[in-house]
Amino acid sequence: EVQLVQSGAEVKKPGESLKISCKGSGYSFANHWIGWVRQRPGKGLEWMGIIYPGDSESRYSPSFQGQVTISVDKSVTTAYLHWSSLKASDTAMYYCARPEGAHWYFDLWGRGTLVTVSS
Amino acid sequence: EIVMTQSPATLSVSPGERATLSCRASQGVYSKLAWYQQKLGKAPRLLIYGVSTRATGIPARFSGSESGTEFTLTISSLQSEDFAVYYCQQYHNWPGTFGQGTKVEI
Repeated sequence: EVQLVQSGAEVKKPGESLKISCKGSGYSFANHWIGWVRQRPGKGLEWMGIIYPGDSESRYSPSFQGQVTISVDKSVTTAYLHWSSLKASDTAMYYCARPEGAHWYFDLWGRGTLVTVSS
Repeated sequence: EIVMTQSPATLSVSPGERATLSCRASQGVYSKLAWYQQKLGKAPRLLIYGVSTRATGIPARFSGSESGTEFTLTISSLQSEDFAVYYCQQYHNWPGTFGQGTKVEI
């Protein structure tokens, strides 16, 4: 089965670091970009960035450049989203999603990882 | 960055009725427009890409169209499982930007 399996919910304090994961299976992981999408509580979808597992090329939306780091380990078919210092405003659901081939709409989504940042 | 504006924010419809959702792009996106459905507590699901091509498994009651920078998602006869939030997304320019969503409610 083609799927993206995300790590579980996290509760963190402001200033803490965090890395969440997204494991792809059932398809050629190295040959498909993987993106991350943020959804704050009650709000819409925001594309954060994307990475190509084959060569680890990454791109970031301007709003998220410098705020997070996207990485990948193709040996375990897993992409990561990392914060070095969380803020309360990072509280959100984070989805990983796979774009379809050459076009960057998402045809496969993970179930999401809820990140709560609170003192 | 291309801004996508959806209207209305909320659409109240009865089961069996037709629903028409709109999405406007701030500049041309050259038919690179997708629609997603998101039910409460679930991940988004791709409905339509390339303005009007239904994704795998999407019923024919969902259709998409365009007129310049205006895009429309039509649900011909609403079923109970269609009540959800719908997002448009352009993928012509980086980063692909989403509209703010239209909630379809009973």
